[in-house]
Amino acid sequence: DTEVTQTPKHLVMGMTNKKSLKCEQHMGHRAMYWYKQKAKKPPELMFVYSYEKLSINESVPSRFSPECPNSSLLNLHLHALQPEDSALYLCASSQEVAGVQPQHFGDGTRLSIL
Amino acid sequence: AQKITQTQPGMFVQEKEAVTLDCTYDTSDQSYGLFWYKQPSSGEMIFLIYQGSYDEQNATEGRYSLNFQKARKSANLVISASQLGDSAMYFCAMREIGNTDKLIFGTGTRLQVFP
Repeated sequence: DTEVTQTPKHLVMGMTNKKSLKCEQHMGHRAMYWYKQKAKKPPELMFVYSYEKLSINESVPSRFSPECPNSSLLNLHLHALQPEDSALYLCASSQEVAGVQPQHFGDGTRLSIL
Repeated sequence: AQKITQTQPGMFVQEKEAVTLDCTYDTSDQSYGLFWYKQPSSGEMIFLIYQGSYDEQNATEGRYSLNFQKARKSANLVISASQLGDSAMYFCAMREIGNTDKLIFGTGTRLQVFP
């Protein structure tokens, strides 16, 4: 069992839909991350939150909108996605942004855009 | 420039044998951390082991050990007594301390354990 919980596990949506991915951790970590992973590729960093503030946006298109309501929760709001956005979306957390503590990942959400 | 290089796209190993997955890295920083993650087909990224650039001893975690050769900039993962459940994709990753908080991943090695 992972200590980072992601919901839903699978999501199929049309290009005009609005949906949200959710991530929750109760390890007291102050850094949270969103990654996108295409098949047979390594994860690509999308966003980093540190102490509930956005610290890194890797030039992600605005159709992806992150939100960190509190230190335990991280959301990714999706709107007007494209077929190429179909991927595995991974959430991760770590104790701090700086340093060498490992990032702990959730199981991911498999997203398919029709 | 590629910062993390995993040259083995796929590896096969027989159950109960040991296997080494290669990883080389490139950094000019003195302070950095090296990580190995396992990703089964289910998708979860599982943290396995960590080695700090200043650690003199090779890291070990159960059946996993990290063969750290700083001068060669290599951080190979050794899995002893392979099990069928070890079949997965394995990623080597690096974080440069003091830099932006990015975990840089290699392209991965797919390990298949056969009976």
